[in-house]
Amino acid sequence: GNSVTQMEGPVTLSEEAFLTINCTYTATGYPSLFWYVQYPGEGLQLLLKATKADDKGSNKGFEATYRKETTSFHLEKGSVQVSDSAVYFCALGSGSARQLTFGSGTQLTVLP
Amino acid sequence: GAVVSQHPSWVICKSGTSVKIECRSLDFQATTMFWYRQFPKQSLMLMATSNEGSKATYEQGVEKDKFLINHASLTLSTLTVTSAHPEDSSFYICSADRGSSRADTQYFGPGTRLTVL
Repeated sequence: GNSVTQMEGPVTLSEEAFLTINCTYTATGYPSLFWYVQYPGEGLQLLLKATKADDKGSNKGFEATYRKETTSFHLEKGSVQVSDSAVYFCALGSGSARQLTFGSGTQLTVLP
Repeated sequence: GAVVSQHPSWVICKSGTSVKIECRSLDFQATTMFWYRQFPKQSLMLMATSNEGSKATYEQGVEKDKFLINHASLTLSTLTVTSAHPEDSSFYICSADRGSSRADTQYFGPGTRLTVL
């Protein structure tokens, strides 16, 4: 079955630091890969996505590249801000189904 | 953007009572809604897939008689936790799908925290 393994948190960084949150997956076929963000008290929001190998998803300064050879989709940002503090979830979706499989989530706290 | 609401946002109930949680898509019609459960510091676990006008499809290990799902309209799905017990305490999140075949058309509600005493 499908599974997502995500770097455990919590992660605490200073403002303007570089961020990497690791994510690897196991799936049959050719899944789509996603990063969702959950701000305190809010629902999950789609941050970025990639639908095929070597695709790079990007949004709000965050990037992730779909690496089929390493089955990874690591999230990166060159300079984090306090407002980036949230929980980040890596997820995969199978090709035709609408169901998502989530990683365990990584709490990020950015200090001023 | 697409908005999904959940009501209530939190609920405390006594053991043995039933609790109903509503999930509404406010500005679009959702042919499919999903119900997830999230334990503290853990991932979202899919409980069931709810299709408008038909019976829900439950994931393995989820008791369908305990977690009743009704998707009576294209904008409303309800999850009823029947005869709730303390082990049912959790954060329940719904998502609504606009109907495309792409998984990224899911929009998530803010969640409902259930505490069973």
